[in-house]
Formats: sequence, structure tokens, C-alpha cells
Amino acid sequence: KAGVTQTPRYLIKTRGQQVTLSCSPISGHRSVSWYQQTPGQGLQFLFEYFSETQRNKGNFPGRFSGRQFSNSRSEMNVSTLELGDSALYLCASSLKLAGGDEQFFGPGTRLTVL
Amino acid sequence: EDKVVQSPLSLVVHEGDTVTLNCSYEVTNFRSLLWYKQEKKAPTFLFMLTSSGIEKKSGRLSSILDKKELFSILNITATQTGDSAVYLCAVNNNDMRFGAGTRLTVKP
Repeated sequence: KAGVTQTPRYLIKTRGQQVTLSCSPISGHRSVSWYQQTPGQGLQFLFEYFSETQRNKGNFPGRFSGRQFSNSRSEMNVSTLELGDSALYLCASSLKLAGGDEQFFGPGTRLTVL
Repeated sequence: EDKVVQSPLSLVVHEGDTVTLNCSYEVTNFRSLLWYKQEKKAPTFLFMLTSSGIEKKSGRLSSILDKKELFSILNITATQTGDSAVYLCAVNNNDMRFGAGTRLTVKP
């Protein structure tokens, strides 16, 4: 069974631009969660989607948004990029909602904002 | 404010030692506590705990939750160099709140 895939793996953008990251969950998984990981703040929860609906949201500004498609694939968008958005963005999938099931993480997208 | 605190932040041991990693939490609407291992890549799942006092075990690793005292421990016995990693604790309570992690280094 294929694991969680994320594209692109690396991305360089400049301040003010926007970016879209993609996550394909393990086949059959309906939950996709997004996380931001930085050396200073550690791993922080962005949001979780389940069956195309956002179920939970972390404490991030509205510039961070996401969506999930009917095939469970998910995208995350960050608008008006800031230098502080430079981070590793991880997505994770699970059969059930994240807190009630094992999550499988993808390899991440490393975003650098110049 | 909800928080998850792991201790120690870093630990250096020698192969064969036993280690205990700690995770304390203060969250509303607790649902579960999860442990992950992160090497130079994405975290991998170790355990999910929802009930107090029930030990979860996988090989040399084990974990237990105390919902009254609001903490969990992760034990690793007979450590090996391959156990070197950052161990993350996360609490689910509508979102997933991670601790800063414990960096474990196992020396040969």
C-alpha cells in the first residue's frame, strides 16, 4: 500500500507570494491533517479535514487555508507569504479522525520564503 | 491555555540503558495522547493512549497514561543506537497539540 505523498518536496518563494501544497493520503484514509514544523516552535497543528469538511483548526492566521477533495486528497494554501512561514509542512492521514487513530505522516514539503 | 510539556528536552545514554521519557499535559476535552518517533524525516507512530493505567507495549518500548495526574511516560529498555531520535508526545483535544520533544541520543 502506498504511503502518504506530498508535492512538491521543496519550494522557494518570495514574500508576498502565495503557495499551494498537495497531500495524497493512504488509500482508504478519510482524514488528512496538516502541520507546520519549525526549529523554534516545533510541530504545530494547522487543520484537519475529514470527508471534505474541516473538522478542527489550530491557531494560525486566515492566510493559511485548506480543502479536501472527494478522493480525500488535500491541498493547503498560504497567501501573502511571510519570512516566518519558512518551515517543513507535514501532512498526515488516518482512517478515522486524527485523535482516535494512528496517523501516517508524509515526507513533508520544505518551504523557504526569501 | 492548553499545553503539553515533555522532559527532559535531551538525554544521552549508552547502549543497554533504560530510559524514561515524560509528557505532562493541561488540556480541555482530552481525547487521547499519542507518542511518535522522529528521526531525520517525518514522525512515525508509536502508541495511542486513551485510558489510564493500561500499558501499551511494543518490543522494548512501552507507555502508560495517568489521566488523574495528567501525564504519560514512554519507557525504552535495552536501548540501541537505532533508538536515537526525537520522541514527540501529542495530545488530542479537538486539535493535536505537540510537546517540544525529547532528543534521545544512544551512544555505542
